[in-house]
Amino acid sequence: QKEVEQNSGPLSVPEGAIASLNCTYSDRGSQSFFWYRQYSGKSPELIMFIYSNGDKEDGRFTAQLNKASQYVSLLIRDSQPSDSATYLCAVNILSNSGYALNFGKGTSLLVTP
Amino acid sequence: EAGVTQSPTHLIKTRGQQATLRCSPISGHTSVYWYQQALGLGLQFLLWYDEGEERNRGNFPPRFSGRQFPNYSSELNVNALELEDSALYLCASSFQPVDEQFFGPGTRLTVL
Repeated sequence: QKEVEQNSGPLSVPEGAIASLNCTYSDRGSQSFFWYRQYSGKSPELIMFIYSNGDKEDGRFTAQLNKASQYVSLLIRDSQPSDSATYLCAVNILSNSGYALNFGKGTSLLVTP
Repeated sequence: EAGVTQSPTHLIKTRGQQATLRCSPISGHTSVYWYQQALGLGLQFLLWYDEGEERNRGNFPPRFSGRQFPNYSSELNVNALELEDSALYLCASSFQPVDEQFFGPGTRLTVL
């Protein structure tokens, strides 16, 4: 079973601070990596994707990938209360039976005013 | 650009019945994926369809099946419903299998 692990949280940060969300994965053959945000009762919303080692920035969000350490993270700068949600890490793997997107169970983020 | 759409929003069935859920992908996307999100279990991959063919399936019994139509819309069928099938069923689509997936609003299935 190819695992995607996240700390369930809750991670609590004050408004304006940096929130750091982490994810590890077990399959070295993983090719693409995604971060989704999911508000309670809603469907996941894509925030970032990253394919290559290093950092990728988009507005207040930065995704970091380290394939050697099998580690992907999401930084949220200037956190806002509206960022309070569950953040899902997803890893796309290719096996003998085809592609599949494996999700972690998510980290709950709470941004306090 | 219209997003992924799913119907119905809610579905209530009794144990042993069959449920049919529908999904329309984003225009231009040929890959459609189905996921189950049960309480406390996270998102579980169910099925992947591309160009009308089933390309991959997750660790679910054969009573979970589906198909993809020539217009790339898809249908998920769940036969012989069990109480533990109660969950949010999410459909997603992508342009290519390695690309980012965009999710629909989901169908909430309740089995009584």
